[in-house]
Amino acid sequence: SSEVTQDPAVSVPLGHTVSITCQGDSLRRFSVSWYQQKSGQAPVPVVYATHNRPSGIPRRFSGSTSGDTATLFITEVQAEDEAVYYCNCRDKSGSYPVFGGGTKLTVL
Amino acid sequence: QPRLQETGPGLVKPSETLSLTCAVSGVSISDRDNWWAWIRQAPGKGLEWLGTLSSGGASTYSPSLRSRLFLFGDTSKNHFSLRLTSVTAADTAVYFCASLIISSSYYFDSWGQGTLVTVSS
Repeated sequence: SSEVTQDPAVSVPLGHTVSITCQGDSLRRFSVSWYQQKSGQAPVPVVYATHNRPSGIPRRFSGSTSGDTATLFITEVQAEDEAVYYCNCRDKSGSYPVFGGGTKLTVL
Repeated sequence: QPRLQETGPGLVKPSETLSLTCAVSGVSISDRDNWWAWIRQAPGKGLEWLGTLSSGGASTYSPSLRSRLFLFGDTSKNHFSLRLTSVTAADTAVYFCASLIISSSYYFDSWGQGTLVTVSS
């Protein structure tokens, strides 16, 4: 089983705000990054170091963390945001990276 | 940001060795701000980190694959490679190479497009 866990799926109406969570003890110590993967494509980072956006990522993507839970927020969700979102951080020992199982976002 | 491209055979027989190479452009694989990783995704499944190669050539492997996996780099060609021995159908996946920023950020900033490897006789 993964050291960080995610809900398998979430849905949100177009234009609304959605939160996707990632939970695990290692999140208390290490920062999280989030990746968007659309069907048939490579993952793309949308948030790193918990709340930073890479160049070119829309401002509607943001992140936060509290205790053992990290959250990815997407405000004013667009149809193009429909994808699977993965969180990633280091394992409890800090030795290697671990991915969450992914959350499939459906835009209604 | 580096650009990465995976190459390798699309089909490997069970019990044989899978070899993949990731060509890197835009950044030297010796650049101390970047490490290099392999990540795979079985059909319909999530992302699985396999291993990481440091800019100095040291490697870290997933505990589940440590006995079968070997990563190495070639600075003269600016590429890094994966070798996975004794493959089975469970190793069928899309294999991605990625660059890992190892500053306080610690994230995979660039990814190759991925290459599908099928293990079948």
